[in-house]
Amino acid sequence: AQSVTQLDSHVSVSEGTPVLLRCNYSSSYSPSLFWYVQHPNKGLQLLLKYTSAATLVKGINGFEAEFKKSETSFHLTKPSAHMSDAAEYFCVVSTGGGGADGLTFGKGTHLIIQP
Amino acid sequence: NAGVMQNPRHLVRRRGQEARLRCSPMKGHSHVYWYRQLPEEGLKFMVYLQKENIIDESGMPKERFSAEFPKEGPSILRIQQVVRGDSAAYFCATTGMIGYEQYFGPGTRLTVT
Repeated sequence: AQSVTQLDSHVSVSEGTPVLLRCNYSSSYSPSLFWYVQHPNKGLQLLLKYTSAATLVKGINGFEAEFKKSETSFHLTKPSAHMSDAAEYFCVVSTGGGGADGLTFGKGTHLIIQP
Repeated sequence: NAGVMQNPRHLVRRRGQEARLRCSPMKGHSHVYWYRQLPEEGLKFMVYLQKENIIDESGMPKERFSAEFPKEGPSILRIQQVVRGDSAAYFCATTGMIGYEQYFGPGTRLTVT
């Protein structure tokens, strides 16, 4: 069984300041971890993925995430927020099985960027 | 998004009508996942299909919902006798070539009036 907890339902930062979106996971096996972004009324776009290679993963649009096994965390960061980053972000865990064990989504974190 | 197409993008149905949602993964992709997203929530797995086969439908409601992925043509998620609680965004996805990531279509937003 696997699960994901996104610790903040909403995060608000000022433009140009750092972004931190927190995610903890639970998995019986070595997981793959992903962050997806969803802009309003749009589909989901893959930001980055961790699949047991380097623990610091760089994604698109300046985002990165660090896999910390000891803390079962996979927090998403960005050094400087941009207005276009305002969106919903989902942390996702997979143990590679198909179907219901394929991808498990967190409930999402709504990122608000203040001008 | 691996060229995953969904249509219609928006669908309005009255209670009791049928809703048909279509998903066309890019050519060569034979795996399709369907997810439902309720307001303010993440995506919930519904069903996983390969061409002509349902692999896992453990997330599908027992009644009124069905899915297929025929040899030719798109995958179809069918909801019979829709109720207001079926109003949601429905996404389909296909798997990437490396790793276990999935690529999502733009979704169909179903509104039941």
